[in-house]
Amino acid sequence: EPEVTQTPSHQVTQMGQEVILRCVPISNHLYFYWYRQILGQKVEFLVSFYNNEISEKSEIFDDQFSVERPDGSNFTLKIRSTKLEDSAMYFCASSGTNTGELFFGEGSRLTVL
Amino acid sequence: GDSVTQMEGPVTLSEEAFLTINCTYTATGYPSLFWYVQYPGEGLQLLLKATKADDKGSNKGFEATYRKETTSFHLEKGSVQVSDSAVYFCALWPNTGFQKLVFGTGTRLLVSP
Repeated sequence: EPEVTQTPSHQVTQMGQEVILRCVPISNHLYFYWYRQILGQKVEFLVSFYNNEISEKSEIFDDQFSVERPDGSNFTLKIRSTKLEDSAMYFCASSGTNTGELFFGEGSRLTVL
Repeated sequence: GDSVTQMEGPVTLSEEAFLTINCTYTATGYPSLFWYVQYPGEGLQLLLKATKADDKGSNKGFEATYRKETTSFHLEKGSVQVSDSAVYFCALWPNTGFQKLVFGTGTRLLVSP
């Protein structure tokens, strides 16, 4: 069964460093998303991506964040200068339709020290 | 703005017990409603959905009915198994305006033999 894969599963970084989280969405999907979950809190929307551009973003997704689909298969989330409060589980998701039926990866845990 | 409220967990049950996890929502318009499940060490998976009032979503013995009059989408299962132990997330998709999944806080279910 097709699945969304994410790497790395866990990354530890120093505050101020750049981090890139990678995702391979399901191959025929058109809509791509990043969500995050700070430990013990809600799953929060960060950004959605369609037709090679950002379609929606939340207030969390400030200038420190960027997304890219560099080669038609990968979908990356970059955090330019990490802060302690960026420590969270980051989930990538993809969908074939714009209806809320998302397929999620297993997540990348980011720990900022 | 749109929001989802779930009952606090953990919910602890014995095998074969009846399960209810309450979920209520606030939204403008007519959202679609979902239950997602996260098994230990895995990403979120769609469990069931309902797209309009009075629809019943069902899957793997779980059911939820879209009640517009009470703005609720409670998850039920008649007889839980140990393998149902997971975190359950209620979510809505607005269908208008800002298109993103809005999640509740999640409810952890622990089923003992």
